[in-house]
Amino acid sequence: QVQLQESGPGLVKPSETLSLTCTVSGGSISSYYWSWIRQPPGKGLEWIGYIYYSGSTNYNPSLKSRVTISVDTSKNQFSLKLSSVTAADTAVYYCARGTAAAGTTDWGQGTLVTVSS
Amino acid sequence: DIQLTQSPSFLSASVGDRVTITCRASQGISSYLAWYQQKPGKAPKLLIYAASTLQSGVPSRFSGSGSGTEFTLTISSLQPEDFATYYCQQLNSYPPLFTFGPGTKVDIK
Repeated sequence: QVQLQESGPGLVKPSETLSLTCTVSGGSISSYYWSWIRQPPGKGLEWIGYIYYSGSTNYNPSLKSRVTISVDTSKNQFSLKLSSVTAADTAVYYCARGTAAAGTTDWGQGTLVTVSS
Repeated sequence: DIQLTQSPSFLSASVGDRVTITCRASQGISSYLAWYQQKPGKAPKLLIYAASTLQSGVPSRFSGSGSGTEFTLTISSLQPEDFATYYCQQLNSYPPLFTFGPGTKVDIK
């Protein structure tokens, strides 16, 4: 059973870059889309983007100019960088695994990132 | 970009009720739609994929239908553990964009 765990700072200052890492255990980073999804407090889910196991990426157009997702297969990790953050980027950030045919099947527990000075 | 809408946004129901939630896509997405259940403080849980395929381990009272632009999630007999927020997600286009609908909260009447 694959497990995903988010890690990174819980507090980021406005205008700085939010950086999170997702560590995958119980399976390798292959044959799946590896996504980042966020949820502002009291609001709905927002898909941020994914990296395919081959290394190709695709991002939510509304965030595309600020997002970078990368993968380190040697560490079985993938990462999110979101630049120029504001208070509107305060959210629980989830990493997840899925496919286009079968949906997003596996999720991390989520990590709250607050943007504040 | 394909947009998803859900109706209703809020639903009040009783245990045993039949509940139907609708998800509409702004363009046809074939059957590339999934449904999730989320409870407070928890990650979402996949219920249905490919519009109508029940994820392993999900109770059979959940069902999905539809294709193209209109989809429904039905709970045949609402149970106490089903009070939650439900989201649809589209998985269509190439390369796929995995955008979510705005959610439907199912609350106790």
